[in-house]
Amino acid sequence: EVQLVESGGGLVQPGGSLRLSCAASGFTFSSYEMNWVRQAPGKGLEWVSYISSSGSTIYYADSVKGRFTISRDNAKNSLYLQMNSLRAEDTAVYYCARGEMTTVVIGGYWGQGTLVTVSS
Amino acid sequence: QSALTQPASVSGSPGQSITISCTGTSSDVGGYNYVSWYQQHPGKAPKLMIYDVSNRPSGVSNRFSGSKSGNTASLTISGLQAEDEADYYCSSYTSSSIRYVFGTGTKVTVL
Repeated sequence: EVQLVESGGGLVQPGGSLRLSCAASGFTFSSYEMNWVRQAPGKGLEWVSYISSSGSTIYYADSVKGRFTISRDNAKNSLYLQMNSLRAEDTAVYYCARGEMTTVVIGGYWGQGTLVTVSS
Repeated sequence: QSALTQPASVSGSPGQSITISCTGTSSDVGGYNYVSWYQQHPGKAPKLMIYDVSNRPSGVSNRFSGSKSGNTASLTISGLQAEDEADYYCSSYTSSSIRYVFGTGTKVTVL
């Protein structure tokens, strides 16, 4: 069974940093592209970042470019999102999502999400 | 890169069919057959309902179907059921400097 479990969320002050993790199991992690998607309270979904299966290709949404860094450790079956210079508008539930090998899609499988709150 | 445009809300009675539109540009929806649709119930993670414009993942009801014409994609739910009441989001691959874009989201209400 495919499982994605996010962790690392919490309360952080504006300007602070946080590192999210996504532990993957039930599939060959190193074969799949991964994405981070966020959802601010009461708002819609926003794609945040993409990383290819090998980690060699990365994309970011303009809203986080230069502040967030996506990475993965295929040996540990884990995906990460390093978030720096956090702002109030970064407050959201952050989901990790697994792409699919046969097509271009954000997420065939999703984690349950982890809440990040940026507030003083 | 702006979000894809969806109607804020769509409603229908049980058994009816409804259609949700998703309008983009030639750089995303119109340029690629990589449009997908997600269903999200309150407090839950999104669920993939349609990929590659019109394909259903295993386990998704055939009451859900997708199509595309030009820069506009559509999701149709036929035989509307109470369990279909949820938020629906389209997304597309984009040729811009980012990779993906979501739609603004549509709240489906079953009357």
